[in-house]
Amino acid sequence: SQTIHQWPATLVQPVGSPLSLECTVEGTSNPNLYWYRQAAGRGLQLLFYSVGIGQISSEVPQNLSASRPQDRQFILSSKKLLLSDSGFYLCAWSVGGPVGSPLHFGNGTRLTVT
Amino acid sequence: QKEVEQNSGPLSVPEGAIASLNCTYSDRGSQSFFWYRQYSGKSPELIMSIYSNGDKEDGRFTAQLNKASQYVSLLIRDSQPSDSATYLCAVYELQGAQKLVFGQGTRLTINP
Repeated sequence: SQTIHQWPATLVQPVGSPLSLECTVEGTSNPNLYWYRQAAGRGLQLLFYSVGIGQISSEVPQNLSASRPQDRQFILSSKKLLLSDSGFYLCAWSVGGPVGSPLHFGNGTRLTVT
Repeated sequence: QKEVEQNSGPLSVPEGAIASLNCTYSDRGSQSFFWYRQYSGKSPELIMSIYSNGDKEDGRFTAQLNKASQYVSLLIRDSQPSDSATYLCAVYELQGAQKLVFGQGTRLTINP
């Protein structure tokens, strides 16, 4: 069966510090991968998605970036965090190929920028 | 971006009653629809998928889809306190690739 691992679970970082969140998927090949952010009491905002290695689509212009160095690895990064980057970051995967498969989420990373 | 609209609630339902959650979407060509449950502080969990007009039942959950009205709903029968959570409606956007758009969610509280 497929599993998705996301770490760390919680993170407290000062403003201006760098960020690296990692996500890996097991049990499937060539998945579609996603990063979402959920601000407190808000809905899910799509940040990045990837349909293959090195293929990243950005949804929201901001100081975040994403990379997919391996088929089942997705990394979210920032060079300098802002207070507004605080939130609940969720990695998700879906079956690759035709549009329509549901997303499956990792446990999330709660980021607080101080 | 196409929109997915939900009543944010809170929706309060007595234990044992039927909870009805509603969602409308703007992309007339959408073909795939999902309901997720999110407990406070946790990640969303898929509970129902529906692709065709009509009803789809899974245990106490029934998803209903009406593409002509661009409307999808979730019914929870025999509601339990453990059903108290935020329910997210999600619809695939046809333009672009592989983007699932979420509604803001409806917060449901089941009262014992």
